[in-house]
Amino acid sequence: EADIYQTPRYLVIGTGKKITLECSQTMGHDKMYWYQQDPGMELHLIHYSYGVNSTEKGDLSSESTVSRIRTEHFPLTLESARPSHTSQYLCASSELGKATNEKLFFGSGTQLSVL
Amino acid sequence: KQEVTQIPAALSVPEGENLVLNCSFTDSAIYNLQWFRQDPGKGLTSLLLIQSSQREQTSGRLNASLDKSSGRSTLYIAASQPGDSATYLCAASNTGNQFYFGTGTSLTVIP
Repeated sequence: EADIYQTPRYLVIGTGKKITLECSQTMGHDKMYWYQQDPGMELHLIHYSYGVNSTEKGDLSSESTVSRIRTEHFPLTLESARPSHTSQYLCASSELGKATNEKLFFGSGTQLSVL
Repeated sequence: KQEVTQIPAALSVPEGENLVLNCSFTDSAIYNLQWFRQDPGKGLTSLLLIQSSQREQTSGRLNASLDKSSGRSTLYIAASQPGDSATYLCAASNTGNQFYFGTGTSLTVIP
């Protein structure tokens, strides 16, 4: 079944550690996104990609990096985790094309806690 | 950039009632607008997408409308059920590249 997968589901880590949040999709979508969501707040775009070897920065990108070596895989890396990074991270994908195809599909999220 | 606002932040209704959730946006040059449902601790599930050229979309008991000139969208839920309890978010896109989300309306349907 076509879906979008995020691992780990929960992560507790100490300050200064390097972490990578994984996101894979079997939807066959070209576009992928990373969003950050705090409780009761709107989602903020961190990075997005149009396809292989394409990455673009969103509003909150300065402290993280992404790569898109394969269509189905879009990992997010924090080089040095800080308590301010504690949040829920959501990965999403959509087709590339007409407005009708831009429906976003989300993974279940990674809840990150940095101590 | 779109500023998206959803009012009220929380809503409680008895089971069986029809209800309307509101979403307003600041830039009428909208590409599309989506409504999502989010259950606690989970990701978002897309409910309806309305293109800029459309005025409404329907799926089962859900109907979403779009009025670009007034900068508003509504999500109508008919005959509400306890299983409809969740947070409902809207997101507006100007170019199809970036979606701007509201903070959501938390809906509780009381049996």
